[in-house]
Amino acid sequence: DVKVTQSSRYLVKRTGEKVFLECVQDMDHENMFWYRQDPGLGLRLIYFSYDVKMKEKGDIPEGYSVSREKKERFSLILESASTNQTSMYLCASSLSGTGGVYEQYFGPGTRLTVT
Amino acid sequence: AQRVTQPEKLLSVFKGAPVELKCNYSYSGSPELFWYVQYSRQRLQLLLRHISRESIKGFTADLNKGETSFHLKKPFAQEEDSAMYYCAPPQTDSWGKLQFGAGTQVVVTP
Repeated sequence: DVKVTQSSRYLVKRTGEKVFLECVQDMDHENMFWYRQDPGLGLRLIYFSYDVKMKEKGDIPEGYSVSREKKERFSLILESASTNQTSMYLCASSLSGTGGVYEQYFGPGTRLTVT
Repeated sequence: AQRVTQPEKLLSVFKGAPVELKCNYSYSGSPELFWYVQYSRQRLQLLLRHISRESIKGFTADLNKGETSFHLKKPFAQEEDSAMYYCAPPQTDSWGKLQFGAGTQVVVTP
């Protein structure tokens, strides 16, 4: 069974804290994604990784960074959390192929609250 | 860049009635289009993809390249169809990425 797991379901942090969100997939997928999900805005891509140590900015990368040291793990880092980063964060993974777009498999999400 | 429009934020329908969720996109270069669904307290999951031409849970989606639309339809809505639905065509600037719409919340009432 396909599995994408995220380290926390709920997280409460204070403004200015450094926050780490971890995502692990067990499908040997090349692609991994971090989105934030907000009502009325849908899913917005923060960062995309297409291989170990390779990353690409998404639509809203400001205030975030990522790390992919191993194929199965993709971390999202909030360098200095702010209240406008309160959101649901979704991780996803997919296969990769030349010219192709593949199904993305999602984790359960992390609800982050920054106070 | 790909733009996706799901004009209805909320669709409320009665059980047994037809339901249609609209999706318009700006770039029609790829036949790969997806609909994802998120049921209450569940993770986001694939509902259907255009290229497979399957009917999943009674839903179908017609690709109209001329109108750049990919509307999702079901002839008889069921209560278990209540969920958030996202249309997701591919992004235009790199492989492997999708552009998600803002989503349509469907509520099916008995």
